[in-house]
Amino acid sequence: EAGVTQFPSHSVIEKGQTVTLRCDPISGHDNLYWYRRVMGKEIKFLLHFVKESKQDESGMPNNRFLAERTGGTYSTLKVQPAELEDSGVYFCASSQEWATSYEQYFGPGTRLTVT
Amino acid sequence: GQQVMQIPQYQHVQEGEDFTTYCNSSTTLSNIQWYKQRPGGHPVFLIQLVKSGEVKKQKRLTFQFGEAKKNSSLHITATQTTDVGTYFCAGLGNDYKLSFGAGTTVTVRA
Repeated sequence: EAGVTQFPSHSVIEKGQTVTLRCDPISGHDNLYWYRRVMGKEIKFLLHFVKESKQDESGMPNNRFLAERTGGTYSTLKVQPAELEDSGVYFCASSQEWATSYEQYFGPGTRLTVT
Repeated sequence: GQQVMQIPQYQHVQEGEDFTTYCNSSTTLSNIQWYKQRPGGHPVFLIQLVKSGEVKKQKRLTFQFGEAKKNSSLHITATQTTDVGTYFCAGLGNDYKLSFGAGTTVTVRA
């Protein structure tokens, strides 16, 4: 069974540019989560999809971040325009269930550097 | 929202020694999960604790969930070089959202 995949693995962009991150969850997992880890700090929740619907987007920092999951399969996270403080590792995770607290399977992450 | 504090942030251990990492939540948790991230890798689920006072073991790893379901610990005995990495606790609140601690990064000297 393929795991969660993310693309790209690394991205270096200049302040003001746009970047789009992609996540492909494990097949059959309705729940998809985005997290971000800034160096040395906690893994911070951004948002949670159940199929194509946003279940919880309370962790999204501001309106420069836009997440979509059209069709309920893969998801994209767009940052536009990027700022220096957006640098960090963006993880995607998926799970079969959520209210019953199933384990989450993490992807390898996308390391975003904004210069 | 809830906050999960994890200490210590760094743990440098002599091979063969034991160590413990601790998590404390500002609110009562539904459950707590532990993840391990190897250097250059991504978080991998280790275990989940649900019941008050629950204790689970995985070989040299012992996980505990406090009676009040607000704290947890991970104790590793006889540390090996394969234990290197960052250990995260993550508490599931009543909003079904995981709140991660900052992690304990473990290095081992042979």
